[in-house]
Amino acid sequence: DAGVTQSPTHLIKTRGQHVTLRCSPISGHKSVSWYQQVLGQGPQFIFQYYEKEERGRGNFPDRFSARQFPNYSSELNVNALLLGDSALYLCASSSRDRMLVQETQYFGPGTRLLVL
Amino acid sequence: KQEVTQIPAALSVPEGENLVLNCSFTDSAIYNLQWFRQDPGKGLTSLLLIQSSQREQTSGRLNASLDKSSGRSTLYIAASQPGDSATYLCAKRGIQGAQKLVFGQGTRLTINP
Repeated sequence: DAGVTQSPTHLIKTRGQHVTLRCSPISGHKSVSWYQQVLGQGPQFIFQYYEKEERGRGNFPDRFSARQFPNYSSELNVNALLLGDSALYLCASSSRDRMLVQETQYFGPGTRLLVL
Repeated sequence: KQEVTQIPAALSVPEGENLVLNCSFTDSAIYNLQWFRQDPGKGLTSLLLIQSSQREQTSGRLNASLDKSSGRSTLYIAASQPGDSATYLCAKRGIQGAQKLVFGQGTRLTINP
């Protein structure tokens, strides 16, 4: 089985622009989470979606939004980009049957975003 | 105060040594704790998941322990190899805010041949 996939792998944007990042979970997984990892730090939670509904949101401004599609893939959107949004954006999936907190989260390779 | 703390931030040891990485966390009300490996510029690879009811988990040369009462977890790596060089991150899933993993800042490990 393929793991979690993310696209694009790298992205360069300028301040004020908008960006869309995409994630495909492991086949059968219904939960997708997004994390932001700034260089030298641990990942910070942005969103969790399960069965196409938002189930959790981290401490990020409203410029950040996400959605999950019927096939369980997900998009993360960031509007009005700031220099501080430069980071590695990670997607993780889990939960074949229910939103089980006991399950392992599997992470994708990430999208490296650079805002100039 | 950081919810999850990893000390040291960096560690360099010669090949073949056994080593221990430390992770401490506030609020012992957790579902589980997970250890990850991250190679430079890459995503996270899950190594071990310890449920709150467990004391330890083993996979090959890796052994992770959990002591909820003291808010500590350790990752033991036996007979270290240069290929073990990476950043190791621990993350807790708290009972409060169970939708998210809360990560430490990681320990950057270098194994010298």
